[in-house]
Amino acid sequence: SQTIHQWPATLVQPVGSPLSLECTVEGTSNPNLYWYRQAAGRGLQLLFYSVGIGQISSEVPQNLSASRPQDRQFILSSKKLLLSDSGFYLCAVRPGGGAYEQYFGPGTRLTVT
Amino acid sequence: QQPVQSPQAVILREGEDAVINCSSSKALYSVHWYRQKHGEAPVFLMILLKGGEQKGHEKISASFNEKKQQSSLYLTASQLSYSGTYFCGSLTDSWGKLQFGAGTQVVVTP
Repeated sequence: SQTIHQWPATLVQPVGSPLSLECTVEGTSNPNLYWYRQAAGRGLQLLFYSVGIGQISSEVPQNLSASRPQDRQFILSSKKLLLSDSGFYLCAVRPGGGAYEQYFGPGTRLTVT
Repeated sequence: QQPVQSPQAVILREGEDAVINCSSSKALYSVHWYRQKHGEAPVFLMILLKGGEQKGHEKISASFNEKKQQSSLYLTASQLSYSGTYFCGSLTDSWGKLQFGAGTQVVVTP
């Protein structure tokens, strides 16, 4: 079974500062990778997904971007954070090999002040 | 299009049963169910695939009506550990993009 790592676990950043969140996966190859955001007390919003190295699709236009430099590494970035970027950022993995399930990592809680 | 979950919240005593419903306006490949405890990431419970394949978790089971694009999650003989927010995720394409419902908060009391 796969293991998903996310860091940092928590982050407090001022408005206008840059952001880099990282997700790495162990135990599977060629996974589909996803970034979701959950605002406080709300549901899960899909931000980006990737089906392979360098392949990124955006679901929601915003000041965030994503990259996948390696098969099992997924990065979420921003050049300038907004207050509205606060939330719980979750990386999800759909394991390779024909699996349908998606599993979430532990998440990064971001507060923009 | 986000699936619609009902009810928004339910309070149960230990040992009682509950049903959570999830409906979509789009044709579904599959429905995924998760449970999220406060401050934690969602945990995968089960997936229901088009064609009727079904999995279970503890005393939690689910059904999937493909024609109606609806799924129901059944909490049987609820335990305190069942408390949390339950989300259904609908899969409407082959890329694995899940659209989540707003969630159903379940509180199980002693």
